[in-house]
Amino acid sequence: KAGVTQTPRYLIKTRGQQVTLSCSPISGHRSVSWYQQTPGQGLQFLFEYFSETQRNKGNFPGRFSGRQFSNSRSEMNVSTLELGDSALYLCASSVTGPNTGELFFGEGSRLTVL
Amino acid sequence: DAKTTQPNSMESNEEEPVHLPCNHSTISGTDYIHWYRQLPSQGPEYVIHGLTSNVNNRMASLAIAEDRKSSTLILHRATLRDAAVYYCILRDVWDSGGSNYKLTFGKGTLLTVNP
Repeated sequence: KAGVTQTPRYLIKTRGQQVTLSCSPISGHRSVSWYQQTPGQGLQFLFEYFSETQRNKGNFPGRFSGRQFSNSRSEMNVSTLELGDSALYLCASSVTGPNTGELFFGEGSRLTVL
Repeated sequence: DAKTTQPNSMESNEEEPVHLPCNHSTISGTDYIHWYRQLPSQGPEYVIHGLTSNVNNRMASLAIAEDRKSSTLILHRATLRDAAVYYCILRDVWDSGGSNYKLTFGKGTLLTVNP
C-alpha cells in the first residue's frame, strides 16, 4: 500500500512569490490535513479537508489556502511569501479525521524563502 | 485551549523500558490522547491513542491516569530505532461551536537511546 506522497520535496522561493504544494493521500483516505513545522514553533495545524470541503482550520493568515480534489489529492498554496514561511510542510491523511483517526504523514515539502 | 506539557528530553539505555510522561490538566471529557513520534528527516508516525482506558499495541502501551490529567507512553524495551521526538497530542476545540478545531502538537520530548 503506497504511503502519503508529497511533492516537491524541496523548493526555494523568494519573498513575494507564491507556492503550491501537493499531497497524494493513501488510497481510500478522504481526510487530508496540513501542518507547518518550524524549529521555533514546532508542528502547527493549518487546515483539514474531507471530501473536497475544508472542515477545520488553524490559526494562520489568509495567505495560506488549500483545496481538495475529487480523488482526495490536496494542494496547499501560500501567496506573497514571507521569510517566516520557511518551514517543513507536512500533510497527513486518514480515513476519518485528525481527531479520532490514525494520521499517516508524508515526508514533507521543505520550503526555503529567500 | 487544551494543552500538553512534556519534558524537553529524556535518555534511556537500549533494551530498557522507557516511560514518557505527558500532562494535560485541562483535557475535556471527549478529548482523545494521541502519541506520535518523529524520526530524523521523516514525517511523524502514529504510535498509539486512547480515551480513558489503558491501551496496548505492538509498538507501545499508553497508561492514562484515572482523572485523565496525565498519561504515560511506555516503550517496553527501547531500541536505537526508537530515538525520536515523541509528541503527546489532544484535540483542541478552537471554535465554541465545536465544528472547528486545531490539533495542538507541543514541542515534544526528544528521546535519546544509548547503546
